[in-house]
Amino acid sequence: NAGVTQTPKFRILKIGQSMTLQCTQDMNHNYMYWYRQDPGMGLKLIYYSVGAGITDKGEVPNGYNVSRSTTEDFPLRLELAAPSQTSVYFCASRGGGFGETQYFGPGTRLLVL
Amino acid sequence: GQSLEQPSEVTAVEGAIVQINCTYQTSGFYGLSWYQQHDGGAPTFLSYNALDGLEETGRFSSFLSRSDSYGYLLLQELQMKDSASYFCAVRDLSGGYQKVTFGIGTKLQVIP
Repeated sequence: NAGVTQTPKFRILKIGQSMTLQCTQDMNHNYMYWYRQDPGMGLKLIYYSVGAGITDKGEVPNGYNVSRSTTEDFPLRLELAAPSQTSVYFCASRGGGFGETQYFGPGTRLLVL
Repeated sequence: GQSLEQPSEVTAVEGAIVQINCTYQTSGFYGLSWYQQHDGGAPTFLSYNALDGLEETGRFSSFLSRSDSYGYLLLQELQMKDSASYFCAVRDLSGGYQKVTFGIGTKLQVIP
């Protein structure tokens, strides 16, 4: 199993541009999450999904959108990129039930100039 | 809302034992998790406590006291590779089961 994969690894965007961060998991997990991590800080939840077709906002959803058309994929869309969105973005997934383990992807480093 | 406090930095000697504390304020507490993150890497899950007491996994142990809103991660027989950031995270039912709040992390430096 590849686990959780994310693309791209690194991207530079200009202010106002848009992009989609890709996230795929091959563990058949129902729950998927997007976090951002600013330097020296913890993880902040952007959006999450409890299954295909079901998504909900996390702590910091403004400026982002998500979709979940399949169990495997959970892309994160940035519209009108702003310097405040410069961060490292992690996607994670978790199996069902009360299992706590979240499996994280390697992250996407985004720089908005 | 939820808040967590943990020390920002800890330094310990190789072979020693170190304890990283985490206090939290939340309503509808469900459980406390610990994650390890090496510089430039992704967080990896270490342990989870939903009930009071000690959970042991090899050299790592995690403790929870729900009445004190307090937990800690204990790392024994420290190795150089344990140098990393350690995050506590709470799952809070009042915020929705799926929402987890992470602390800002404790940077552990293991020295020879």
